[in-house]
Amino acid sequence: DQQVKQNSPSLSVQEGRISILNCDYTNSMFDYFLWYKKYPAEGPTFLISISSIKDKNEDGRFTVFLNKSAKHLSLHIVPSQPGDSAVYFCAASANTGNQFYFGTGTSLTVIP
Amino acid sequence: DAGITQSPRHKVTETGTPVTLRCHQTENHRYMYWYRQDPGHGLRLIHYSYGVKDTDKGEVSDGYSVSRSKTEDFLLTLESATSSQTSVYFCAISELGGGRTNTGELFFGEGSRLTVL
Repeated sequence: DQQVKQNSPSLSVQEGRISILNCDYTNSMFDYFLWYKKYPAEGPTFLISISSIKDKNEDGRFTVFLNKSAKHLSLHIVPSQPGDSAVYFCAASANTGNQFYFGTGTSLTVIP
Repeated sequence: DAGITQSPRHKVTETGTPVTLRCHQTENHRYMYWYRQDPGHGLRLIHYSYGVKDTDKGEVSDGYSVSRSKTEDFLLTLESATSSQTSVYFCAISELGGGRTNTGELFFGEGSRLTVL
């Protein structure tokens, strides 16, 4: 059963606008969350992370928000650029284990 | 870039044949992972290692075995490949493992595309 869910398989956004990618999780033991970006024929690359002691983490154009009560996190990209077009994976891990659980990914297309 | 090398990068094989994928790291990280990526399923953990000779199963371990005899190498073996194991396989490494509140992210290799006919 998928413990990390990304319910939007794809998203299209105009260049310069905000991209919002969403992720839900079911395991209340998760305490560390990450976002990865993946281009075709390449491995995923780390983008940004947040621990459960925070509700927001920002790195340049990328901000991750965590709502623990709703078991929901989102990635905001502002402003979106054509080079941001990729598949974005949400991931989570728990302090009780060593595994990272990934969502199914959201394919972002930024239209010039 | 993290020093992770996967081999082979591409392989076509026939049903019933054994296949071994190799992951080699130069970062001396303790944790190593094998994931598979499939459409509609994202990245799913097959097996992982938390030290030399220390391994554990992931979500989709059936039909796969692993071995780690040295810190730098983590092997994934399909004893008898099936068409359902056609996938892209990613190796990943982590210094701290999961569940940490600091930056314990995964670094991924470039992937190995396996086709089982």
